[in-house]
Amino acid sequence: EAGVAQSPRYKIIEKRQSVAFWCNPISGHATLYWYQQILGQGPKLLIQFQNNGVVDDSQLPKDRFSAERLKGVDSTLKIQPAKLEDSAVYLCASSLVDYIYYEQYFGPGTRLTVT
Amino acid sequence: KQEVTQIPAALSVPEGENLVLNCSFTDSAIYNLQWFRQDPGKGLTSLLLIQSSQREQTSGRLNASLDKSSGRSTLYIAASQPGDSATYLCAVTQLNTNAGKSTFGDGTTLTVKP
Repeated sequence: EAGVAQSPRYKIIEKRQSVAFWCNPISGHATLYWYQQILGQGPKLLIQFQNNGVVDDSQLPKDRFSAERLKGVDSTLKIQPAKLEDSAVYLCASSLVDYIYYEQYFGPGTRLTVT
Repeated sequence: KQEVTQIPAALSVPEGENLVLNCSFTDSAIYNLQWFRQDPGKGLTSLLLIQSSQREQTSGRLNASLDKSSGRSTLYIAASQPGDSATYLCAVTQLNTNAGKSTFGDGTTLTVKP
């Protein structure tokens, strides 16, 4: 079974520029999550989709961050304009809606550096 | 609001030692608890998942326990090896409509010295 795919793996941009990350979840996984992980901290949920609907975006800085999941499969997360404090690893995860385990599977992440 | 705390933040042990990592959470209304391993520059690898109705799960040298009423979980690693060096994260999942929502601790960074 193929895992969660993310690209790019690394990105360096200057502040005030825009950037986009892409995620392709495990086939059949209806739930998709985007997390932000700042160095030395645990992942923090930014947005959660179920199919192509948003379940939770309460911690997404909506003035600069946006995300979409068209057709309920892959997803993009965009930052515009970027700030220095956005430097972090952006992790995508997916899970089945199986009503039993809700086990999350993570991609390798995208490391963003804002200079 | 759920809060997850992991103690200690860092731990260094000699090879072969048994060790315990701790995780505590403030809201006991959880669906499951998951322990992850994260190597530098990599994503998260799931180690063990404990359902809220379970007390423990075992995989090889790893044993995770859950005491939901007291808001605590432990990850026991037997006979530690240098390859176990990594950051260990715990996450508790609560249900948000019919999807799971997870809150993570900040992790314990383990170093096993040869």
